[in-house]
Amino acid sequence: DAGVIQSPRHEVTEMGQEVTLRCKPISGHNSLFWYRQTMMRGLELLIYFNNNVPIDDSGMPEDRFSAKMPNASFSTLKIQPSEPRDSAVYFCASSFPLAGDHEQFFGPGTRLTVL
Amino acid sequence: GEDVEQSLFLSVREGDSSVINCTYTDSSSTYLYWYKQEPGAGLQLLTYIFSNMDMKQDQRLTVLLNKKDKHLSLRIADTQTGDSAIYFCAESYNAGNMLTFGGGTRLMVKP
Repeated sequence: DAGVIQSPRHEVTEMGQEVTLRCKPISGHNSLFWYRQTMMRGLELLIYFNNNVPIDDSGMPEDRFSAKMPNASFSTLKIQPSEPRDSAVYFCASSFPLAGDHEQFFGPGTRLTVL
Repeated sequence: GEDVEQSLFLSVREGDSSVINCTYTDSSSTYLYWYKQEPGAGLQLLTYIFSNMDMKQDQRLTVLLNKKDKHLSLRIADTQTGDSAIYFCAESYNAGNMLTFGGGTRLMVKP
């Protein structure tokens, strides 16, 4: 398996623009997580899905952020409109939380810069 | 709420042992994890320990858990330059599901 795939790897946009980050989890995994990493705030969980259903979105910063998981192999994180303070590395991770399987597998991240 | 804390930085010489410490506040934590993040990459699971264990050893890695003090440590024996990375402690009450991460400890290994 190719692991968790994220696109794009880098995104530079201007304030006010819409940004869409994409994630393909590992095939067969049924939990998917979106994280944001910044120097100031460290690694923050934004939202997680189980069987394509959002379970906890309490980490989503504000209404400008939305996440969807239309099927088991694809998820998006959208920011509209984007702001400079959204600049960060966004990670997607997936897991298959049955007994004995404890690992969340992380993608390589999308580095977002909002000018 | 849950809180996981780590020191920010550790510097060691190649061949020495490294000890990275972590404290957590949630007494219901069932699983405790160590993840490694190399520059420009995502996090990768190194090892984990159940809360009913005191110690776990895996090659050069030793995890010690003091549940009474809610203190977790990761010891890396014979530290190599390739071990230079950021190490994250994390806790969960449910295997594979929501993790609470510490802020990460940046380990620098000097040749």
